[in-house]
Amino acid sequence: DQQVKQNSPSLSVQEGRISILNCDYTNSMFDYFLWYKKYPAEGPTFLISISSIKDKNEDGRFTVFLNKSAKHLSLHIVPSQPGDSAVYFCAATWRGGGSNYKLTFGKGTLLTVNP
Amino acid sequence: NAGVTQTPKFQVLKTGQSMTLQCAQDMNHNSMYWYRQDPGMGLRLIYYSASEGTTDKGEVPNGYNVSRLNKREFSLRLESAAPSQTSVYFCASSEAGREEGYGYTFGSGTRLTVV
Repeated sequence: DQQVKQNSPSLSVQEGRISILNCDYTNSMFDYFLWYKKYPAEGPTFLISISSIKDKNEDGRFTVFLNKSAKHLSLHIVPSQPGDSAVYFCAATWRGGGSNYKLTFGKGTLLTVNP
Repeated sequence: NAGVTQTPKFQVLKTGQSMTLQCAQDMNHNSMYWYRQDPGMGLRLIYYSASEGTTDKGEVPNGYNVSRLNKREFSLRLESAAPSQTSVYFCASSEAGREEGYGYTFGSGTRLTVV
């Protein structure tokens, strides 16, 4: 039973255009959401996060939008660059567990940015 | 600052052999985790340790054991390796809180093949 779903295994965009990666979740307890980027043969690295009290968080070219009523979040990358080509994982957690919290990850979306 | 260090980086085992994957972090984090990544399956939690002296099962614990040796080190043991345990294993650490956020720092992974 997947609690965090990334329904698009892959996405291809042209350099300079917008990349939109989507994520849905089913657990209403989740109150904190994160995106990770992973290059081949490396560990995932933290990209951006958002608390459930917000609907948008921006960091440079990266913006995450959260729609709580739809249990949906998206990551926008503008403009996309070839170096953004990687697997992107959506993750979610409930902070009420204190130090006992765990991240639940989606299956990932492979983004390819073509020059 | 090394972050999270995993050893070995690559390993080939025969079915039935045992081995221990090592993980150490130098960020003074309380929580540590072991995940496995398989094609099309994303990152799945095997075991985690919320603090020194405690360990708990994650989503896919069967066939594995863990030891939180001290605050820095968290090892994962395969007692009798099976081909189904062929995967890439990631160790991560975290420190939940307002400043640290709720993200993990991941190691670079151990690629394990069981033949």
